[in-house]
Amino acid sequence: GAGVSQSPSNKVTEKGKDVELRCDPISGHTALYWYRQRLGQGLEFLIYFQGNSAPDKSGLPSDRFSAERTGESVSTLTIQRTQQEDSAVYLCASSRGTGDEKLFFGSGTQLSVL
Amino acid sequence: GENVEQHPSTLSVQEGDSAVIKCTYSDSASNYFPWYKQELGKRPQLIIDIRSNVGEKKDQRIAVTLNKTAKHFSLHITETQPEDSAVYFCAARGSNYKLTFGKGTLLTVNP
Repeated sequence: GAGVSQSPSNKVTEKGKDVELRCDPISGHTALYWYRQRLGQGLEFLIYFQGNSAPDKSGLPSDRFSAERTGESVSTLTIQRTQQEDSAVYLCASSRGTGDEKLFFGSGTQLSVL
Repeated sequence: GENVEQHPSTLSVQEGDSAVIKCTYSDSASNYFPWYKQELGKRPQLIIDIRSNVGEKKDQRIAVTLNKTAKHFSLHITETQPEDSAVYFCAARGSNYKLTFGKGTLLTVNP
């Protein structure tokens, strides 16, 4: 594809509901990251996938957060029992992987938990 | 794992002045250091990067320097313009190939 695609662009949900965010990386990119960015804040690392290696989940803030990736393509980030503090922009980024680390970001999903 | 510290958190300059943002990293095996610019409401975009076998790299008004011994690298913007106003993030790629970002610097260029 032309770039990293994320959907939905906006998601409004009620506290306690589950949400699923989707990321389509650039074709051929083996590395994929999820970040959380609260309003006016930095990029908070959540999870990193690199090829067939076990994902680095060290940034997931609680067991309500999980992510999967199908091979070297689509990734989904799931937040269960959403809380108001989960409100943020969730950014996905991908790169070719080892040896070429230029990271390309999607436009993000703005999540609002009411 | 890698830890990246970025300073200052905010920086205000007059148009035409220079701006310098500094970062330090902890993993001596890190070998790739990109800088990203994020304009308000937009996604971060790569503006310049440097590898550990190079000490300095320039691209028009932007330059990055790297001191491997001290484990720090800096972004220099000369002749700043209002459109340079944004949040700038540094990052370092550690030995596990993962990019770790600094917390960002909000640069404001006053006309």
